[in-house]
Formats: sequence, structure tokens, C-alpha cells
Amino acid sequence: GAVVSQHPSRVICKSGTSVKIECRSLDFQATTMFWYRQFPKQSLMLMATSNEGSKATYEQGVEKDKFLINHASLTLSTLTVTSAHPEDSSFYICSAVRDRGTDTQYFGPGTRLTVL
Amino acid sequence: QKEVEQNSGPLSVPEGAIASLNCTYSDRGSQSFFWYRQYSGKSPELIMFIYSNGDKEDGRFTAQLNKASQYVSLLIRDSQPSDSATYLCAVRALRSSASKIIFGSGTRLSIRP
Repeated sequence: GAVVSQHPSRVICKSGTSVKIECRSLDFQATTMFWYRQFPKQSLMLMATSNEGSKATYEQGVEKDKFLINHASLTLSTLTVTSAHPEDSSFYICSAVRDRGTDTQYFGPGTRLTVL
Repeated sequence: QKEVEQNSGPLSVPEGAIASLNCTYSDRGSQSFFWYRQYSGKSPELIMFIYSNGDKEDGRFTAQLNKASQYVSLLIRDSQPSDSATYLCAVRALRSSASKIIFGSGTRLSIRP
């Protein structure tokens, strides 16, 4: 159990376009999901906490109008990078919490975004 | 002081030996502790979690937690080349918002044949 999927796995887009990334918990319900970003050879950086049925909580320095998060159901959260620019090119990873008792996070496989 | 600190490495260990990875944390009220493995270009995968003082074993992996000293470690017995990866320590702090965990910057482990 505890399988998390992400789609797409890889996306290349032109500067100025918007990109939507989906994160799904396949075999469990997740009231809380997280979105991370990771640049090459750097550690994970938490972008936001996505809560089902409520607004996302963004980390300091993360623009909420640029990174739109929607958690419409207990198994799906989406991250939309609006008006993407080359500096947004990164590895975007979501995670979902299955066990609220220990807050264990299970990660999706990640989405590699390249903005030309 | 960083909330979760790890030696960045690389830590080089011969195949078959025990690899020891260490992590310290600053919030004494931290509750849950996690070890993740991340291969280059891939997302992190959970190895194990621990929340009570002492040792927790799972196959070749043993997590050790010492809350008084605020450190958590991961031992990998009979190290294999496939264990070469970056190991991330993560901590659920008492003051964190619901379910949020803090990651260390990771330790790169290299198992030499």
C-alpha cells in the first residue's frame, strides 16, 4: 500500500505557458498532501501544504498566485505553475500522508519541468 | 542552527560493511523521525520511521533514536552497491503544523565494491 502517482512525469513547455501537475494517492485517502521542489544537487524544498477542501498553506517566499494548488478530493491534489519561466525549471515532487498517527509521508515519483 | 542536520558526505563504505548515518535535530519536542532514501534523479522513498527511544530493525536497516541527545541514526548492515544513494533524515517537530516534517539536507552514501 501507500502508492502515490504523479502526472506527467516529464514536461517541456515554452516560457509564459501554464503547466498542471497532478498528484494522486492510489490506495489510500490523503487529507493532507505536500508539494516540494528540488533543484539539482540540492535538498527538498517544501513549497506548500495542500489540505482537502481548504486553501493551501504556502511556505515563506513561495508565490501563491504563481503556484496554484487545488486539493479537490481525498485522492487528488494539483499544482499549476502559471506563466512558467526558465527559472521555474525544477523537479516537482508531491507527497501524501497516509498515517496521521505518525505523519508518514509517501512520495510520488516526481515531475521534471523544463521551461524553454 | 539548522533544525535537522546531517553530514553531507560523501560517506564511502566498502561492500559488506556497516554504514552508519547520523542526524541531529534542534526541537526537543520532536515526535516522529523518518529516514528516506533518494537515488539520483528519483523521488525519496521511505525506509523506516521511529518514534520511541531505542532501536528499530527492519531487515538490514536499524534506526536508532536518542531523544535526550537529540539524534537519530540509521545503520545499514551488509552494505550493497545498490545502497549507494542520498539518505534524508526527516523530523516531525511538535511545533510544526499538522503532518509537516522537516528534512535534513541529506548524506550521500557510496558503497565501493
